[in-house]
Amino acid sequence: GQQLNQSPQSMFIQEGEDVSMNCTSSSIFNTWLWYKQDPGEGPVLLIALYKAGELTSNGRLTAQFGITRKDSFLNISASIPSDVGIYFCAGAYNTNAGKSTFGDGTTLTVKP
Amino acid sequence: DTAVSQTPKYLVTQMGNDKSIKCEQNLGHDTMYWYKQDSKKFLKIMFSYNNKELIINETVPNRFSPKSPDKAHLNLHINSLELGDSAVYFCASSPMQETQYFGPGTRLLVL
Repeated sequence: GQQLNQSPQSMFIQEGEDVSMNCTSSSIFNTWLWYKQDPGEGPVLLIALYKAGELTSNGRLTAQFGITRKDSFLNISASIPSDVGIYFCAGAYNTNAGKSTFGDGTTLTVKP
Repeated sequence: DTAVSQTPKYLVTQMGNDKSIKCEQNLGHDTMYWYKQDSKKFLKIMFSYNNKELIINETVPNRFSPKSPDKAHLNLHINSLELGDSAVYFCASSPMQETQYFGPGTRLLVL
């Protein structure tokens, strides 16, 4: 079945630093999604990408849909303490009955 | 004006018991899901319903039975609970096949 490798598994950074994380797949997707899970809450959608090569921003967050359709990247600029949480990538292929495959998450810790 | 709600938020029970978790969405979405998040935070899909019809059924023990009385509700019943069932269970709904809106989760602890 499809597998997503998300890296890094965890990050410890200083407030103000930029963050990069990525997700790679063994097969292609035609939608990539990035979610953030705050402690004790459910995941919340940050950015959705629908086209290979697409670059989309949401405030300090920027995500890209890789040209090969097998990878995606998320960057966070000028991190702040409330960026703490788990970031999940998810890939979907629209003939797969609505199923998204989730990566294993990147846990971000921001030190003030 | 909660979008996706789940009850209960916490559930502590003994091994062997039967329990249910309820989920409701007021977003008008056609598709609903159940996910299990284990202690390592891995998020795995269990079931998906579209307009009350089961469309995804991952490899889940048949002690787990979802029920969708209408497209706004998707409940999860678990029979003969085991220690390994301890996890956080998330309900989600979707207006289309990709973007999903998650509930706050139900933290199940089996003793």
